Amino acid sequence: EVQLVESGGGLVQPGRSLRLSCAASGFAFDDYAMHWVRQVPGKGPEWVSAISWSSAGIGYADSVKGRFTISRDNAKNSLYLQMNSLRTEDTALYYCAKGIRGSPDAFDIWGQGTMVTVSS
Amino acid sequence: EIVLTQSPDTLSLSPGERATLSCRASQSVSSYLAWYQQKPGQAPRLLIYDASNRATGIPARFSGSGSGTDFTLTISSLEPEDFAMYYCQQRSNWPLTFGGGTKVEIK
Repeated sequence: EVQLVESGGGLVQPGRSLRLSCAASGFAFDDYAMHWVRQVPGKGPEWVSAISWSSAGIGYADSVKGRFTISRDNAKNSLYLQMNSLRTEDTALYYCAKGIRGSPDAFDIWGQGTMVTVSS
Repeated sequence: EIVLTQSPDTLSLSPGERATLSCRASQSVSSYLAWYQQKPGQAPRLLIYDASNRATGIPARFSGSGSGTDFTLTISSLEPEDFAMYYCQQRSNWPLTFGGGTKVEIK
């Protein structure tokens, strides 16, 4: 079964850091681009970051550029998001999502999400 | 940043009716547009990618059309499980962006 499982969310104070992880299974992880997408409950999704299969291509939303870092470990079938200098507006459910072969920036598999709450 | 505007905000229809959802881009995205369905408490589910390609396992009643700046998602005959939120998303340029969504509700 193709599956993505996020972890690492929680309650954190503004200015602090958090590292999210996404464990992939059931597909050749090192063949696909991967993404982080977040969603405030009741609002639409917001793309956060993307990384190509080889890590050669990386992109970020302007709202997180310079604060968040995406990475992957293909040997461990894992995707990561290091989030520094967190702000209250970063509060959201964070999903990892898999790109499609040939359409790497469309997302065919999503995890269940991990909630990040930034509050003092 | 490419802005996607979805209309209407809400579509009130009965099972068996045809649903037509619109997504307009602030600049051309060629055919690089996807549609997702989301139900409460669930992650989005890919329906259509690159404007008209159905994702794996998506029923044939879902179809997508359009190119450039104007796109349409059509559900030919609504089933009870189709009442949900629908989002469009462009992959023409980074940052990738989503539309604000259309809620398809039971009339």
